[in-house]
Amino acid sequence: GIQVEQSPPDLILQEGANSTLRCNFSDSVNNLQWFHQNPWGQLINLFYIPSGTKQNGRLSATTVATERYSLLYISSSQTTDSGVYFCAVITGTASKLTFGTGTRLQVTL
Amino acid sequence: DAGVIQSPRHEVTEMGQEVTLRCKPISGHNSLFWYRQTMMRGLELLIYFNNNVPIDDSGMPEDRFSAKMPNASFSTLKIQPSEPRDSAVYFCASRPGSSSYNSPLHFGNGTRLTVT
Repeated sequence: GIQVEQSPPDLILQEGANSTLRCNFSDSVNNLQWFHQNPWGQLINLFYIPSGTKQNGRLSATTVATERYSLLYISSSQTTDSGVYFCAVITGTASKLTFGTGTRLQVTL
Repeated sequence: DAGVIQSPRHEVTEMGQEVTLRCKPISGHNSLFWYRQTMMRGLELLIYFNNNVPIDDSGMPEDRFSAKMPNASFSTLKIQPSEPRDSAVYFCASRPGSSSYNSPLHFGNGTRLTVT
């Protein structure tokens, strides 16, 4: 099956800093999503981005499907950005979303 | 839009007891998924339904696990008998359409199950 790797596994930022999270996948994909799991365990859908670039406020994401990676940018980080960020992909005709292992982000004051 | 609704939010039960988790997908969504999250295995798909029909249950760990979707607005995941290793957060998710190509997945808030 497809392999989804995320880096870095852990990240500590001071409030106001910028960061880039990376997701590499081992096969071509039809669907890629970024999720934020907040400290209460909720999985929040950030982006649906199988290719191209999208922006939503301080967050943006870029997927380069031909090179099999996606990036999540967080600018001017806030403590509320803390949590775990997952990318998840679907390949071919399958409907199963395969999750990466996540990047745990802690934003400090 | 109320989102995907799961109940209960927390469940604590003793080993051997039956556990039933419930999910109401977003209205109009045709696909429903059950995921389990543990520290050791991360997020793993248990089963998914398209138009109320189970499509792939290969992720269901054992015969102790069963899932049903009697109608488009309700699904259950049952564990009988429960064991301590079933302790995890169980998520339900739904998606409009049965194709994976153009529809994001939306998750409920999860049910945290503890089996003692």
